[in-house]
This record gives sequence, structure tokens and C-alpha cells, in this order.
Amino acid sequence: EAGVTQSPTHLIKTRGQQATLRCSPISGHTSVYWYQQALGLGLQFLLWYDEGEERNRGNFPPRFSGRQFPNYSSELNVNALELEDSALYLCASSSGRLRRANEKLFFGSGTQLSVL
Amino acid sequence: RKEVEQDPGPFNVPEGATVAFNCTYSNSASQSFFWYRQDCRKEPKLLMSVYSSGNEDGRFTAQLNRASQYISLLIRDSKLSDSATYLCVVRSGTGNQFYFGTGTSLTVIP
Repeated sequence: EAGVTQSPTHLIKTRGQQATLRCSPISGHTSVYWYQQALGLGLQFLLWYDEGEERNRGNFPPRFSGRQFPNYSSELNVNALELEDSALYLCASSSGRLRRANEKLFFGSGTQLSVL
Repeated sequence: RKEVEQDPGPFNVPEGATVAFNCTYSNSASQSFFWYRQDCRKEPKLLMSVYSSGNEDGRFTAQLNRASQYISLLIRDSKLSDSATYLCVVRSGTGNQFYFGTGTSLTVIP
């Protein structure tokens, strides 16, 4: 069974450009989470999608946005890129069934975004 | 106050040592608890879930104290391959929000 897949692996952009990052969850998972991890820092929560809807977002400006498609894959869009947006962007999925007591997160290998 | 707090370390221990990490969480209604392991510039991977009764997986033992709202991870007989950052993760009682600690860095020295 395929795990969480992210593309591209690496992305190089210049300041002011837009970046689009993609994530496919594990088959059967309906929840997708996006995290930002700058070099040497912890994971910062960006966005959570479940069943096609945005359920929560972290403390990031509106130029960070995304969506979830009917097949539960997801896109993260970052507009007007700034140098400090350079980071590893991690996507994770979970089965999204709120009644499961031991719901777990499974991560993709991430997209390394470099803004020059 | 942060949802999950961890001592960032670093912990530098010799091979064969026993090392313990602690983590505290702020929301008493939190439902599920986990330890993840993250190698440098890689994705976090689930190490183990943490149950109220405590649980063990080989050299790793996890404990949960709901009254004090803390979680621990004990690693016995440390191996060089245990060197990584260990992340404490808590799932909220409402919805399906996961909260991550900043991680504790472990280096096992030959």
C-alpha cells in the first residue's frame, strides 16, 4: 500500500513568486494536514482538511492557502513568496474517523522549498 | 501556554545508556498520545502510541500520567541508530487536531 506522497521533492522559487505543493494521502484516508518546518525548528501547523473542507488553520498569513479535492488529495499554495518561507513542507494524513480512539498521523517525505 | 512542551535537549549519551524524555500537555481533554521520531531533514515517523497503562516495545517504554498531564519515553541500552529528534504528539479531545512538541534531540555517542 502506498504511503503519503508529496510532490515535488524540491522546489526553487524567487521572492514574489507563487508555489504549489501537492499531497496524496494514504488510500482511504480523508484527513490531510500541512506543516512547515524551517531549518532547526519544530513543526508549525499550517492547515487541516477533512472531507474536502478546511477544518482549521494555524497562525499563518492568508497568502498560505490550500484545498482538498474530491479524491482527498490536497494542494498547498503559497503566494507572494518571501525568503523566510524557505522550509520543509510536510503533509500528513489520517483516516479522519473521529470515533477512532487511536487515530494516527502518517507523513510524506516533504517538499523542500527554497526561496531565493 | 503551548499545547505541548518538551525539553529540547540536546541529550548526549554513551552507547548502552538509559535515557528518558518527558513531555507535558495543557489540555486535560486530550485523547491520544504518541512519540514520533524524526531524523535530520526527514519526515517524522511514528515510534509508538502511549497508553494509560504504559506500554513497551523492545527497548522503548512509554508512560502516560493523565493526572499530571505528562508523557514519558524511556530508551534502554541506547544504540547509535537511536540518534534522532523525538517528538511528543497529543491529539485533542475535540476534533482531530494534533499538537506537536518542539522535539528533544538525542545523540548516542560511541
